[in-house]
Amino acid sequence: GAGVSQSPSNKVTEKGKDVELRCDPISGHTALYWYRQSLGQGLEFLIYFQGNSAPDKSGLPSDRFSAERTGGSVSTLTIQRTQQEDSAVYLCASSLLGRGEETQYFGPGTRLLVL
Amino acid sequence: AQSVTQLGSHVSVSEGALVLLRCNYSSSVPPYLFWYVQYPNQGLQLLLKYTTGATLVKGINGFEAEFKKSETSFHLTKPSAHMSDAAEYFCAVRGGSQGNLIFGKGTKLSVKP
Repeated sequence: GAGVSQSPSNKVTEKGKDVELRCDPISGHTALYWYRQSLGQGLEFLIYFQGNSAPDKSGLPSDRFSAERTGGSVSTLTIQRTQQEDSAVYLCASSLLGRGEETQYFGPGTRLLVL
Repeated sequence: AQSVTQLGSHVSVSEGALVLLRCNYSSSVPPYLFWYVQYPNQGLQLLLKYTTGATLVKGINGFEAEFKKSETSFHLTKPSAHMSDAAEYFCAVRGGSQGNLIFGKGTKLSVKP
């Protein structure tokens, strides 16, 4: 596609429910990043994929968070047993090879509200 | 560890006035620096970036930034503000073991008619 797409654009859920957030990177981009944007914490990095591999998951806020990427393309971020503090905008970005000088292209985000 | 500080969470200018948004970074290695803009309910859009070479970097929408190593700064400027420039601006440094971006807390720019 022309850019990074994310779905859903908005998600309202009840505390304790599981949610899945999807990211479609730019075609051909091997590097994919998840970030979270919240009022209290600003923009924080969650996880990075090179191809289907996430070498380090330590950026995920808790063990309720998990992520996968299949076929070197689509990625899913799953939050289990959601809590109110998970309310935030979840942003996905991709870049061609993951090199330092490359631009990371961002999707429009998924706005998650946990009631 | 790399970090970014943006001075001023909110900047207000008049239309046609100079825009100056400040960014200071800390990095133990030569930095890659980025400015992104975020319009309401949208993702981040790259304005410009510094990787190597010329220290004055020109970006989209008439913005530019100058990398000053001695001052560890990468301030964003635009000679004449437009109403359409009203948005939030984020400075970022490429850092972290996974090549992720480390962002400043952002500066919200308001433009008065």
